[in-house]
Amino acid sequence: AAGVIQSPRHLIKEKRETATLKCYPIPRHDTVYWYQQGPGQDPQFLISFYEKMQSDKGSIPDRFSAQQFSDYHSELNMSSLELGDSALYFCASSLNWGTSGPTEPQETQYFGPGTRLLVL
Amino acid sequence: AQSVTQLDSQVPVFEEAPVELRCNYSSSVSVYLFWYVQYPNQGLQLLLKYLSGSTLVKGINGFEAEFNKSQTSFHLRKPSVHISDTAEYFCAVSGTSGSRLTFGEGTQLTVNP
Repeated sequence: AAGVIQSPRHLIKEKRETATLKCYPIPRHDTVYWYQQGPGQDPQFLISFYEKMQSDKGSIPDRFSAQQFSDYHSELNMSSLELGDSALYFCASSLNWGTSGPTEPQETQYFGPGTRLLVL
Repeated sequence: AQSVTQLDSQVPVFEEAPVELRCNYSSSVSVYLFWYVQYPNQGLQLLLKYLSGSTLVKGINGFEAEFNKSQTSFHLRKPSVHISDTAEYFCAVSGTSGSRLTFGEGTQLTVNP
């Protein structure tokens, strides 16, 4: 079965540079979530999109922005990178109950392999 | 708002022994509960979930968990572990309205020969 695809898998940037992370959800999934996992920490929710609209916002720095496109893929844009932004960034996707009939409800999120960002 | 507490940060166990990873949650509303596993340098894989119905849920790789509403717990169990079960295990909760997952701090399960 198709899974969530994230690119790139690894990224090295210098301080104050910008980075763009991409996420391709499972086909027919309409909701995308972004999480940040620092070293030795649990994943922290950043932001989510449903049908291309922001649906929830967590502890996402103002330096970060994200969007979901018409083909449902999502991009997380990170500017003025700081050393503390070094982390594993996960994208997850889910299918909204109301749009596609009797499937699993929106609460089941499936995660991609993550993008490991290192800021030097 | 929800919160999750995983009571053990590390659980060492010998191969073929039973294991229980403990998870307690706090929420003012009904919740959905999940266990995810993360192998070294990999993403999060869904082990099992409780959405409604039977409080005993079975997942992949022989794991099961029991939802206890009165004790606000969702402990993960496996009767006999293998070396390959060595990984970080995360308990997570989301509200029934469907939104973000809130994770516990994780439990590192190490299975020794």
